[in-house]
Amino acid sequence: GAVVSQHPSRVICKSGTSVKIECRSLDFQATTMFWYRQFPKQSLMLMATSNEGSKATYEQGVEKDKFLINHASLTLSTLTVTSAHPEDSSFYICSAEETSGNTDTQYFGPGTRLTVL
Amino acid sequence: GQNIDQPTEMTATEGAIVQINCTYQTSGFNGLFWYQQHAGEAPTFLSYNVLDGLEEKGRFSSFLSRSKGYSYLLLKELQMKDSASYLCAVINRGSYIPTFGRGTSLIVHP
Repeated sequence: GAVVSQHPSRVICKSGTSVKIECRSLDFQATTMFWYRQFPKQSLMLMATSNEGSKATYEQGVEKDKFLINHASLTLSTLTVTSAHPEDSSFYICSAEETSGNTDTQYFGPGTRLTVL
Repeated sequence: GQNIDQPTEMTATEGAIVQINCTYQTSGFNGLFWYQQHAGEAPTFLSYNVLDGLEEKGRFSSFLSRSKGYSYLLLKELQMKDSASYLCAVINRGSYIPTFGRGTSLIVHP
């Protein structure tokens, strides 16, 4: 089956620093990847859609200068949280879209738990 | 836009059967996903329905009625490890991005 990896799985950083999270599709190519954020006991909130070779599309209310997304290849997308603050502490999950026949299915990475002190 | 409704929490007994419902309102339907998410982990894909009817996959089955804007996930022979949140997600026609419901927290007890 389709496998998506995410690194790191857990990160603790000081306020004001930047954190980069990598999302890789291991056994398929993904033109489109998605970045989600999930706060405790809440559903997934889409932050942005990452398209290989072009600029990401951000959801309303998500600061593109704070959450930098780069999708440089068909198997890798990165999310950089710049100048992180405690309110950015959350569970960040990426997904990669695999097209099989007429179906586009998202497969999720294992998530990255970010804690900003 | 679209509204997706699921029960917040359900409990069931090990070995039993449980049905988790999802209702949605959308301007144009193009598919419905079910995902399982254990606490502290990312969601894992369970099923995808785009046509009416029942899709069976082992202990899990998913049903869709497009005319009623309704789906359910059926879990048979419940195991303790099935305790998790179950997310219903709908794709709107013209978009490839699913919108997730809040999820149903299922608690399986002995």
